[in-house]
Amino acid sequence: EAGVTQFPSHSVIEKGQTVTLRCDPISGHDNLYWYRRVMGKEIKFLLHFVKESKQDESGMPNNRFLAERTGGTYSTLKVQPAELEDSGVYFCASTSSNQGPYEQYFGPGTRLTVT
Amino acid sequence: GEDVEQSLFLSVREGDSSVINCTYTDSSSTYLYWYKQEPGAGLQLLTYIFSNMDMKQDQRLTVLLNKKDKHLSLRIADTQTGDSAIYFCAEGYTGNQFYFGTGTSLTVIP
Repeated sequence: EAGVTQFPSHSVIEKGQTVTLRCDPISGHDNLYWYRRVMGKEIKFLLHFVKESKQDESGMPNNRFLAERTGGTYSTLKVQPAELEDSGVYFCASTSSNQGPYEQYFGPGTRLTVT
Repeated sequence: GEDVEQSLFLSVREGDSSVINCTYTDSSSTYLYWYKQEPGAGLQLLTYIFSNMDMKQDQRLTVLLNKKDKHLSLRIADTQTGDSAIYFCAEGYTGNQFYFGTGTSLTVIP
């Protein structure tokens, strides 16, 4: 069974540009999470989807970030326009509501560098 | 929000035991986790402990939970060079977000 995949693995963009990150969760997982780690800091929660609905988006930093999960499968996270402080590693995780102990399975992350 | 704190760095000699510590502020979490991140890879779940347990042992790994002090530790026995990685502790609530620490970078010296 394939794990959580993320694309691209690394993105370098200039301030003011737009970037879209993609996450493909494990097949059948209804919960999908986005997290971000700024260098040297903790991994911080961004938002949580249950199927296609946003369950919790309290961690989204501002309205330059837009997450979607159309059809309840893969998800995209768009940053528009990107700022320098958006640099970091963006992780996606998924889990099934039917399993315990509710381990979240993480993807390898997308390293975003805004110059 | 909840605070989860860890030391940033730890160095040990190969064959010694490593102890990575974590403190947290919220005592209502359901589970506490240890994840490992190797270079270029995602987060891999190492082990977890239910919040009503004090200790869990899994081969070379021992997790100790002191709920009174809100302290979690991960002991790795007979540390090997392959154990070099970043270790994150996290607290979680059923079906909801996880709260992570800053990660502890473990370096194993041959």
